[in-house]
Amino acid sequence: DVKVTQSSRYLVKRTGEKVFLECVQDMDHENMFWYRQDPGLGLRLIYFSYDVKMKEKGDIPEGYSVSREKKERFSLILESASTNQTSMYLCASSFSTDSYEQYFGPGTRLTVT
Amino acid sequence: QKEVEQNSGPLSVPEGAIASLNCTYSDRGSQSFFWYRQYSGKSPELIMFIYSNGDKEDGRFTAQLNKASQYVSLLIRDSQPSDSATYLCAVTDNAGNMLTFGGGTRLMVKP
Repeated sequence: DVKVTQSSRYLVKRTGEKVFLECVQDMDHENMFWYRQDPGLGLRLIYFSYDVKMKEKGDIPEGYSVSREKKERFSLILESASTNQTSMYLCASSFSTDSYEQYFGPGTRLTVT
Repeated sequence: QKEVEQNSGPLSVPEGAIASLNCTYSDRGSQSFFWYRQYSGKSPELIMFIYSNGDKEDGRFTAQLNKASQYVSLLIRDSQPSDSATYLCAVTDNAGNMLTFGGGTRLMVKP
């Protein structure tokens, strides 16, 4: 079974703090993704990576950055958290660009106060 | 801007009935189509995918794709209360790198 894990289920941070969300997959998947999910807006892609040290912007990259130093690990960074970044953050992975099925982690509910 | 549209619901069906969930998409170049199920408080899980026009059946689930009409649907036969969840439609872009998700349809199956 594919396993995608995320570092925290719940996180509370203050405005202006730097926030790290980490995602690890154990199936040697090439592609990894970060989404946020908000009521009424569905899942929106923030960034994705198709290889180590490679990254591509998704639909809403503003205010976020990512890091992929190892194949199994993909980090999402909020340089200076703001209240409008309060959301559910979901990490996903997929085997390759020929396999579009994405497998999701359990999610991190981030609250910025 | 690529768009994937779903009726947010809730769609309420009695136990044992057929639930029909619909999705339209704007990008004619979309290649692959997915249905994810998301229980409340949980992450999405893939239940069906379809690449070609027509129907694809897997147990109680049937995915239907009509690329000319830019329409994909999911039928759930013999609906069970355990099918109550939000169903997300997702569509790849031309290059197949990114998924665009619809807002999801909340399904409620009443005993």
